[in-house]
Amino acid sequence: AQSVTQLDSHVSVSEGTPVLLRCNYSSSYSPSLFWYVQHPNKGLQLLLKYTSAATLVKGINGFEAEFKKSETSFHLTKPSAHMSDAAEYFCVVRDPFYKLSFGAGTTVTVRA
Amino acid sequence: DTGVSQNPRHKITKRGQNVTFRCDPISEHNRLYWYRQTLGQGPEFLTYFQNEAQLEKSRLLSDRFSAERPKGSFSTLEIQRTEQGDSAMYLCASSLERGQVGPEAFFGQGTRLTVV
Repeated sequence: AQSVTQLDSHVSVSEGTPVLLRCNYSSSYSPSLFWYVQHPNKGLQLLLKYTSAATLVKGINGFEAEFKKSETSFHLTKPSAHMSDAAEYFCVVRDPFYKLSFGAGTTVTVRA
Repeated sequence: DTGVSQNPRHKITKRGQNVTFRCDPISEHNRLYWYRQTLGQGPEFLTYFQNEAQLEKSRLLSDRFSAERPKGSFSTLEIQRTEQGDSAMYLCASSLERGQVGPEAFFGQGTRLTVV
């Protein structure tokens, strides 16, 4: 069995300040982990993925995430938020066969 | 546009009516998935296809739901005798599975169903 818990349902940051979105996972397997972003009226877009290579993963638009097995965490960060980062973010775990399990999502608001 | 395409984008239907959604995956992708997303929640797995074979169905998929993927290309999701609880965003995704670890799933923009 596998599951994902996103620890914050809503994060509000000022433009130019760091963003931290927290995610903890549970998996019976060696997990593949993903972060997806969903802008209003747009499809889910992959930000980055971890597949057992480097534990620090760099993605698009300046985002990165660090896989910490001892803490079962996969937190997403960005050093400087931009207005265009306002969106819904999903942490996702995939089992070895096919199934993606999504967290409940974190809504990011960026203040000017 | 070579991404995953879903039609229609929006559907409003009366309770009890049947509806059908279509998904056109990225052309060479052998896996196709259907997910459902309700307001304030992450997407939940409904079913998936490996080429034309439907290999798994979630318990969320009641007998009123049926999905097909003839010839392993586009897929349809039909809901019979719709209920208000069926109101949600229905998402389609596809991926190319070649035995690699963690292939990326590409999502369409979804079909938003409202049952009135």
